[in-house]
This record gives sequence, C-alpha cells and structure tokens, in this order.
Amino acid sequence: DSGVTQTPKHLITATGQRVTLRCSPRSGDLSVYWYQQSLDQGLQFLIQYYNGEERAKGNILERFSAQQFPDLHSELNLSSLELGDSALYFCASGRGNVLTFGAGSRLTVL
Amino acid sequence: TQLLEQSPQFLSIQEGENLTVYCNSSSVFSSLQWYRQEPGEGPVLLVTVVTGGEVKKLKRLTFQFGDARKDSSLHITAAQPGDTGLYLCAGSFHPPGTYKYIFGTGTRLKVLA
Repeated sequence: DSGVTQTPKHLITATGQRVTLRCSPRSGDLSVYWYQQSLDQGLQFLIQYYNGEERAKGNILERFSAQQFPDLHSELNLSSLELGDSALYFCASGRGNVLTFGAGSRLTVL
Repeated sequence: TQLLEQSPQFLSIQEGENLTVYCNSSSVFSSLQWYRQEPGEGPVLLVTVVTGGEVKKLKRLTFQFGDARKDSSLHITAAQPGDTGLYLCAGSFHPPGTYKYIFGTGTRLKVLA
C-alpha cells in the first residue's frame, strides 16, 4: 500500500458520459499530480495541484477538469467521454522530489 | 519542450543475463528517479539520484546519474523473471514553489525463465 488511495479502481461507461475519479494523497503530502496512461504508452502529465491551488497544466483536454479540496483530496472530472479516453488514470502525491503513485483507475469507454 | 528518451523501448532476455537501460535528455535535472511498473499497478519508486556522477546500488540494480545531470542508466545484473516490468525514468526540476517531473517513454523488460 503506497498510501495514495484512488477510487474507483475500475469504471466502465459509455461515450458522451461524465465520470469523476478521486484521489486521496499520502498523509502530509500537499501536492497531487494526475497522469494518463494509455495502452502501451508512457505517462502523460495532466495537471498538478499544491495545497488546493493549480500549479501546472500538461496535456489536459478542455473536457477534463480537476480540483483539490481543503482536505487535500483531489478529483479529476472527465466529461463528454470518447473511446480514446479509455486509459489508466494515475494520481501521485508529492513531497520534495519524491512522487508516490496510487494504484490507478482503469476507465473503459464503450 | 523537455524530453526524456529511454532506450531500448523493449527488451526480452534470458534469466541470468545482464542489461542496461538508458535515459537521455538535453535538459539538466535537479534529480532523477527510476520507477518500475507492473501491469495494472502504479509505478513504484526504485531510487532517486541527485548528484552528478552519483551511483546507487539496490541489490542487483545499479543506477548512475550522468556528470552533467542530463542522463542516467540502470544496470541489472543476473536478471530474474521477477525483474519483468515497465521501467520509467523521471527527471525532476524545481521552479519556485513546486516540483515538476518529466517522464521517459519507458522500457518494457521481459525476463524469460
């Protein structure tokens, strides 16, 4: 157990729908990073939050949004889903130069 | 745009063989991390190297950070089937108030018994 909790672990939905992925960082970590990993691909950085504020944006689509709440958990919202959004979505919490990843949420869009 | 290129992309070897994975960039990083990821799991941190020229050993794994802090290598001695997985390097740099990470493209290793 890495200490980073992601829910749900698996999610199957249809095109056009909206889903929310949730992440609770390790105790004491203020930074949350979201990554997308498609089949046989590397990790694509989506967005980073630090103590509730957005700090950096990567290749995040306009249909996707995220936020970090006062209790430091974060949610990634994916809307108007397309088949190509099927992927593993990872959350990582950061402390200094150490990133700790959760087990991921596998999204399948049918 | 900062890029981290890993080579090789795929590697299939027999148990007991040695191998080296390379991670190269034109950018200078504050530190560099190596992760291993198994199917359906999140990446797990193996090591962080910080100082140019630094060498760290983790059992049969040897990690080296280039003198200029732009590249790194991972050497596995006497590979075992349990070493199978996706190896990712990640360079980090530290603009004021945050840490940023650039991940490499990954090396998929398969060790055959």
